[in-house]
Amino acid sequence: EIVMTQSPVTLSVSPGERAALSCRASQSVGTSLAWYQQKHGQAPRLLIYGASTRATGIPARFSGSGSGTEFTLTISSLQSEDFAVYYCQQYNNWPPLTFGGGTKVEIK
Amino acid sequence: QLQLQESGPGLVKPSETLSLTCTVSGDSISSGDHYWGWIRQPPGKGLEWIGSVYYNGNTYNNPSLKSRVTISVDTSKNQFSLEMSSVTAADTAVYYCARQSVIPRADWFDPWGQGTLVTVSS
Repeated sequence: EIVMTQSPVTLSVSPGERAALSCRASQSVGTSLAWYQQKHGQAPRLLIYGASTRATGIPARFSGSGSGTEFTLTISSLQSEDFAVYYCQQYNNWPPLTFGGGTKVEIK
Repeated sequence: QLQLQESGPGLVKPSETLSLTCTVSGDSISSGDHYWGWIRQPPGKGLEWIGSVYYNGNTYNNPSLKSRVTISVDTSKNQFSLEMSSVTAADTAVYYCARQSVIPRADWFDPWGQGTLVTVSS
């Protein structure tokens, strides 16, 4: 099973600032990585797939990078609606499909 | 517009079987273009993939749940279902259904249903 580790657990950021979230895989997943955003009380929403491709309707301030075992989700200028929990998911080698533990982005 | 909606009992007794159904609208399960998956999230915790089903009944399950999980599909109703046997309090979670691409190396989930909370308690 591929273990996904996200850091930090919590990230405190001021509105308008840049945020960088990390996701590490226990073995290479190539670029088979997705990012999701989950707001309180809501279902996760797909942001990024293929490590760097934005899903339909996702603003350009969200970008993904990385390959192999190290990945980053960057939010270039945080808006109020971006404060949420973010999860990464690998789909290179399954079953099982595995998610990281999440990073909570909170208002500083 | 594609929508997925989970339904089923919100309370299940320990040792009994949890049963949930996901109704799909705006897409046809029988098209064969996607897998259809179940994911759960214990309160305050992260996401765990449970398993996925194809229109022909082929399934992939999370080995961590061993043989407790059965996922099935009813193409006539455009629904797929989850059964989890011998539940304990550790199975208390929000259960989501979601669409998953069938294209190799494209196994992300989009979109997701709104989720349904299932509590295991006597």
